[in-house]
Amino acid sequence: AQSVTQLDSQVPVFEEAPVELRCNYSSSVSVYLFWYVQYPNQGLQLLLKYLSGSTLVKGINGFEAEFNKSQTSFHLRKPSVHISDTAEYFCAVSDTGGFKTIFGAGTRLFVKA
Amino acid sequence: GAVVSQHPSRVICKSGTSVKIECRSLDFQATTMFWYRQFPKQSLMLMATSNEGSKATYEQGVEKDKFLINHASLTLSTLTVTSAHPEDSSFYICSASPHASNQPQHFGDGTRLSIL
Repeated sequence: AQSVTQLDSQVPVFEEAPVELRCNYSSSVSVYLFWYVQYPNQGLQLLLKYLSGSTLVKGINGFEAEFNKSQTSFHLRKPSVHISDTAEYFCAVSDTGGFKTIFGAGTRLFVKA
Repeated sequence: GAVVSQHPSRVICKSGTSVKIECRSLDFQATTMFWYRQFPKQSLMLMATSNEGSKATYEQGVEKDKFLINHASLTLSTLTVTSAHPEDSSFYICSASPHASNQPQHFGDGTRLSIL
């Protein structure tokens, strides 16, 4: 079984500052890792995914994440945030069968002017 | 890209009513779909795995008779909340992926269910 821990429930940051949202996972098998964003009263939008290959993954909206197998982490980063990045961010994991996806508790990113 | 459509987007109904939510994969076939429930300011909790042509697989603690799932075709799964009560009010989200091992799930836009 897999599990996901998002270490910060809320992250306030000023506009144009860098941000890192932390995610750690546990699994006894190989996994795929994902970051999703959810705006209020909407579904989920895929930001980026790690399936294999390069451990640095670039996604939409200027986000990137790095897979660190030894630390079982997949932290999300953005060098300069915008007000429009304010949303809930979910880290997720699935086994390499790619079916059942388990989500972390979410991190609320709040970008202040 | 792959699109998953969920309908309705919002339902408000009286206690005791049964409510059906549809999840459709618009441009691909999905032998497996998933149903999630999300309470306000919380994460998505997997409720069940919907399997085309066979019974759904429910997660621990989810009442099978309360949340009926039907996956009658490769593009449609339905979730029926039977005899809904206020505590069933939540945001329900479905997901599906093309049948390939490295495809992430595509999510519907969710259904906001409010039971009065």
